[in-house]
This record gives sequence, structure tokens and C-alpha cells, in this order.
Amino acid sequence: GAVVSQHPSWVICKSGTSVKIECRSLDFQATTMFWYRQFPKQSLMLMATSNEGSKATYEQGVEKDKFLINHASLTLSTLTVTSAHPEDSSFYICSARVGRSYEQYFGPGTRLTVT
Amino acid sequence: AQSVTQLGSHVSVSEGALVLLRCNYSSSVPPYLFWYVQYPNQGLQLLLKYTSAATLVKGINGFEAEFKKSETSFHLTKPSAHMSDAAEYFCAVSGGNQGGKLIFGQGTELSVKP
Repeated sequence: GAVVSQHPSWVICKSGTSVKIECRSLDFQATTMFWYRQFPKQSLMLMATSNEGSKATYEQGVEKDKFLINHASLTLSTLTVTSAHPEDSSFYICSARVGRSYEQYFGPGTRLTVT
Repeated sequence: AQSVTQLGSHVSVSEGALVLLRCNYSSSVPPYLFWYVQYPNQGLQLLLKYTSAATLVKGINGFEAEFKKSETSFHLTKPSAHMSDAAEYFCAVSGGNQGGKLIFGQGTELSVKP
């Protein structure tokens, strides 16, 4: 149980285009989902907290107009990187929280490369 | 505010040797503590968690960790390393009015020599 999927697992896009990453909780309902960014050999950096039916809460320094987050249902959250640039290339990981539990279940990650 | 410090960005052990990965935390409220493992190009997998029950926590793959409040530590151990244990390990803390946020340490890369 508690499986989280991400799609796509990797994507290459051209500079200036937008790309959408999906995060799904497959066997449970997630009222809260989190989006992280990870650079090579570094830890996870929390980008935003996504609550179903409400606007995402972004961490300081994260551009909300560039990283659009939508959490339209209890099993799906999406991250759209708008007008992508090479510096947006990174590994993006989502996680989901069950109810008010402090435990998070992580997706397998999405490797984004912007050329 | 909460924070986590993992001592040693890289630890190398021989196969069969004891694994010890260090984690110290700072928290103004009773913490929930986690250890996650990450294999290359993959997400995080939960190894074990401390949620204010038993201070010695047993996890998957033979790992365990002991919560020591007096030392603000939550070190991860395994009696005998396997080659398959080579990965990146993250300690994380949560709790209080953080909305379920996890605060991660910097990570420790574990190498296992044959």
C-alpha cells in the first residue's frame, strides 16, 4: 500500500516551453502533497505544499508563477514548469501525506532536462 | 525551528562490517524522526520512523535506529553491511505546527567495499 507514482519518469524539453509533471497516489487519498527539487549529490529542497482544493503554499525563493501547482483531486497533483530554462533542469520528486500523519510516501521522481 | 545535521557526507565500510550513519536533530517540540534511503535516480524509500513510542526502532533491511533525547540523536545502524546497502541515506525531522513538512539532512552516501 501507499504507492505514489510520477509521470513522466524523465522528460527533455526545449528552452521556453512548458512541461507538466503528474503525481498520483494510487491506493490512498492524499489531502496534502509536497513537491521537492533535488540537484545532483544534494538533499531534497521543498518547493511547495499542495493541499487538495486550495492554492499551494510555496517556500521562500520559489517562483510560484514559474512552478504552477494544481491539486485538483485527492489522488492527483501536478507541477507545471513554465517557460523552462536550462537552469530548471533537475530531479523533481513528489510525496503524499495520509491524513494528518507525519509520514510521507515518495514518488519515483522525474528527471527534467531543458536544452 | 527544526533542523537536521548528518555527520559525514560519505561513509565507506567493508561488506559485513557495522554500518553507522549519524544524525542529530534540533526541535523545539517533540520530534518525529525518519530515515530514508535513495538509490540512484529513484525516489525515497522509508527505512524506519520514530513517533514517540519505543526509542529503539527497527526498520526494513536489517536497519535500526535509537532515539536519544539527551543527545538529540537518531543514528542509523546495521550490524552487517551488504553490497546492496550502497545508496544515499537521508535523516528527516517533522513535528509541531509545520503542516507535515519534512526537514531533511544533507544526506550521507554509503559505499560498501567487497
